[in-house]
Parts: sequence; structure tokens; C-alpha cells
Amino acid sequence: GAGVSQSPSNKVTEKGKDVELRCDPISGHTALYWYRQSLGQGLEFLIYFQGNSAPDKSGLPSDRFSAERTGGSVSTLTIQRTQQEDSAVYLCASSNPGIEQFFGPGTRLTVL
Amino acid sequence: AQRVTQPEKLLSVFKGAPVELKCNYSYSGSPELFWYVQYSRQRLQLLLRHISRESIKGFTADLNKGETSFHLKKPFAQEEDSAMYYCALRRGQGNTDKLIFGTGTRLQVFP
Repeated sequence: GAGVSQSPSNKVTEKGKDVELRCDPISGHTALYWYRQSLGQGLEFLIYFQGNSAPDKSGLPSDRFSAERTGGSVSTLTIQRTQQEDSAVYLCASSNPGIEQFFGPGTRLTVL
Repeated sequence: AQRVTQPEKLLSVFKGAPVELKCNYSYSGSPELFWYVQYSRQRLQLLLRHISRESIKGFTADLNKGETSFHLKKPFAQEEDSAMYYCALRRGQGNTDKLIFGTGTRLQVFP
């Protein structure tokens, strides 16, 4: 079956603009995660959804970052007033209890 | 706080040499440990999880609770093993909690 998909694959934006990143998890997976992969920082956790609820938002770096999940499926990560330090690859993953997390291909965000 | 440490950013070996990628963790409970691998231009994928006790692509990893380590080993490296390797921890077992990743080790295997 289809894996986790993310769009767009690449996004270039200007400092101060808002961006939306989309994640389509594997069908039937109840848990959805957002991570950020940047040079020298490895993989940082951002937020975790169980169904449509977000029990753990502890990794969101500032209030410019927000995310939602609807219908227990698609999730959108929104970054407002982007800054150059937001440039990174944003990864989405999904899973069910007891199994591994499956990762998407990522969205490469570049803030000029 | 939970933490995963991968002390080596880069590990370079020749084909056929043994490989050991180090991973240490800090967590007071019973964690689940994973190794994820990212080959060039591919997505991050699971290589090993400690509860499976499997050998995948010739790699093994043993959880040492006394030393809080989960080192990844392979007796004879192959060129196709060149990739980025991430060690990760999940608090508890069999749940859907987040993964806490180390900063990764790039393995280069030369012919």
C-alpha cells in the first residue's frame, strides 16, 4: 500500500511569509508525528497527534508554529512569519501502537 | 530528561572491515531502542528495534541496560551500507510515544 506522503517536496519562501506543509499518513494509522531535520541538529520532535488530538506539542519551537489534524488523517503544519532559522527538512511519520513509525519523504523548506 | 547520544558524526571504514556505531541513552524507565537508516535520496526507514532481536542486513544491536548503550555492529561492512544512521529511544514499549533521536552518524564504506 501507499506510504506516508508529504507535500510540497520543496518550498522556497521569503522571510516573513507563512507556509503550510501537508502530511498524508498511512491509512488506518492513529498516530502522526512531525519532526524537523536540520544540519547539526539531527532529528527534532515537533508535535504528536493521536487521532485529531495533540497530547504532546512540546517540540514546537515557538508560537509561530502550529499544526492540526482532521478526520484522523491529513495533518498540516503551519509556520507563520518564517525566519531563516526555520530552514530545514520537515518530516512526517505515522504509526499504530506496537509498530514502528513510518516516515514520509520530507518537505525541504528554504527561507530566504 | 531523556537523551540519546551518538558521539561520532562520521565513521569511515574500508569494505570488509568491522563496524560499530555507538549509541548511549539516558532514561530512567524501560525504553524501547531503535536504529533508523537513511540512504542517499531515500526516506528514513527502520533498521532494527531492540525488542525484535533480529539481524537485518548483517547488522545487530544489543541493549545493554547497565551501560545504557545500544551500539550497532556489523562484522564486515559493505559499500551499500554507506548511509546516515540514527539511534532513537521511545519511552515505554508498544505505545505510540514520540521518538527521541540522536544526532546521527554518517557511515562511509570505501571500496
